[in-house]
Amino acid sequence: DAKTTQPPSMDCAEGRAANLPCNHSTISGNEYVYWYRQIHSQGPQYIIHGLKNNETNEMASLIITEDRKSSTLILPHATLRDTAVYYCIVRVATGANSKLTFGKGITLSVRP
Amino acid sequence: DAGVTQSPTHLIKTRGQQVTLRCSPKSGHDTVSWYQQALGQGPQFIFQYYEEEERQRGNFPDRFSGHQFPNYSSELNVNALLLGDSALYLCASSSGPRSYEQYFGPGTRLTVT
Repeated sequence: DAKTTQPPSMDCAEGRAANLPCNHSTISGNEYVYWYRQIHSQGPQYIIHGLKNNETNEMASLIITEDRKSSTLILPHATLRDTAVYYCIVRVATGANSKLTFGKGITLSVRP
Repeated sequence: DAGVTQSPTHLIKTRGQQVTLRCSPKSGHDTVSWYQQALGQGPQFIFQYYEEEERQRGNFPDRFSGHQFPNYSSELNVNALLLGDSALYLCASSSGPRSYEQYFGPGTRLTVT
């Protein structure tokens, strides 16, 4: 699986959009970008994933650059409950290897 | 609909002892993966069970072993505990080993003294 690079931390104001960056310059053509988050004292939670098109669901939007070497997770209206560690992961979605390879993630702090 | 459940929530063991952690997958899921999360680090993949067999394994020694039962629940066993085994152990379930989404339980906090 390709490695990802995320800044260690960032903060944003409650109600504003939180844009979380991720670099994955060695991503292969068949690897997807996944985002999970982990709120303190809980297990990780799936947020969204995508291959090359932008994706949106009820939690967030995922913007992947045209060369697929980086992506941005967008929380459109951050709340205090969005304070968590966010993990950007790339992996092959098909085939037998479905393990998730987590890095250290980015700690998002939402301030009132 | 119950999500992934794990037991116990916390436990304390002494170096050299053995421990068994348990996981019940989300209803409808048949695949269980185990992860170890040290303090301040992301979860690290230990192994995955599907159809009662170990299908994938991460870079963990043979002291770490597991089992999956016919009802899809799973156990993680760790023998000859080391201080470095102190961590949060997470169980994740999915519908099939190739599923894009894994559901995690709250974890078991193991402290080895």
